[in-house]
This record gives sequence, structure tokens and C-alpha cells, in this order.
Amino acid sequence: NAGVMQNPRHLVRRRGQEARLRCSPMKGHSHVYWYRQLPEEGLKFMVYLQKENIIDESGMPKERFSAEFPKEGPSILRIQQVVRGDSAAYFCASSEQTSYEQYFGPGTRLTVT
Amino acid sequence: SQQGEEDPQALSIQEGENATMNCSYKTSINNLQWYRQNSGRGLVHLILIRSNEREKHSGRLRVTLDTSKKSSSLLITASRAADTASYFCATNGGDKIIFGKGTRLHILP
Repeated sequence: NAGVMQNPRHLVRRRGQEARLRCSPMKGHSHVYWYRQLPEEGLKFMVYLQKENIIDESGMPKERFSAEFPKEGPSILRIQQVVRGDSAAYFCASSEQTSYEQYFGPGTRLTVT
Repeated sequence: SQQGEEDPQALSIQEGENATMNCSYKTSINNLQWYRQNSGRGLVHLILIRSNEREKHSGRLRVTLDTSKKSSSLLITASRAADTASYFCATNGGDKIIFGKGTRLHILP
């Protein structure tokens, strides 16, 4: 059973470009969470999704950021018109149920130049 | 606002000693979890303790939970070099988990 997969592992974008981060949850998991981590900091919750539904996006910036988890395929975190402050590690996690432990992917390190 | 806060922020101990990290939180929870993160890697789930439990063990790990004080502790016994990592507590009070800023543990040879 493969773990949570994220790609790409590293992504470099120039200011103003779009970044698309992908996350495939563990088999059998229908709950997906996205987190952002700045250097030397903890994880900050961004968004919680189930298939075709955004359950909680209270941690997402109101502009430029969006997330989806379609019926088929991976969850996508999209950042439009990236700025230097978007540079961070973005982690995806999945779980079977809301209150269960979360399994994390290896993360995508986004660098905005 | 951040739910869990770990204390201390950083801890250095000799190999073989015990390491204790604390976590305090603010609101009621369903469960509390501890995770480890090695540098540049994703988080690894260590242990989950439910709100009606007071203590839980897993190998060299011992976790306690005091809901009256809204605090938890993680004890790692007989530390090893491989335990060097950041440790995060995460509280679950509903539909999402909130992480603290972590304790950076460094095991000295």
C-alpha cells in the first residue's frame, strides 16, 4: 500500500507564474489536508477536502490560492501569480476519518524567484 | 490561533538520557497526537491519545494527557542519535488538526 504521494518534490517558479501541487492520498483514504510550513516553523493548516467537497478552507489565503479534490485523480493545490512569500514546503496528508491519525506525504518545496 | 504550543522550543541532551517535551492547548479536544519530523522530510505519526485516556506507551515513547490542565507530555526514554528531529503535538477538536510550532530535539553523541 503506497503512502501519500506528492509531486513535484521541488518546484521553482518566477514571480507571477502559477504553481500546481499534486497529492495522491493513501488507498482507501477519502480525507485530504493541505499544510504550509515555513522554515523553522510548525505546520499551518490550509484546507481540508473530501472527494468533490471543500470541508474547511479557513487556513487558505482568500486570494490566489485554491484547492480541489476531484472524483477521479489527485488533489490539487493551485497558487496563482506566485510571490516570494509563497516560498515554503507544502505538505499533504490523508486520513480514513476526520479524527484519525493523518499520514503525510514527503512535501513539495516551492521556491519563488 | 495556534492550538498547541510545545515547550521547550529546543532541547539538547546526551545520548542515553530521557527527553521530555510538553504541549499545552487552549480548547477542548477529541484527541491529541504527537508527530516527528526529520529535517526536510514529511511528518511521521508517533502516537494518538484520546481525551478519555491519561497515559499511553509505544516502545520508548510515553505520552500523558491531563485534560484539566489542557496539557500533554511526550517522554522518549534512552534517547538515540536517530531521535534527533522536531516533535509536534497536534490537537483534534473537530474536523481539523492544529499543529504547534514544535520542539527541536538534538541528541548529542
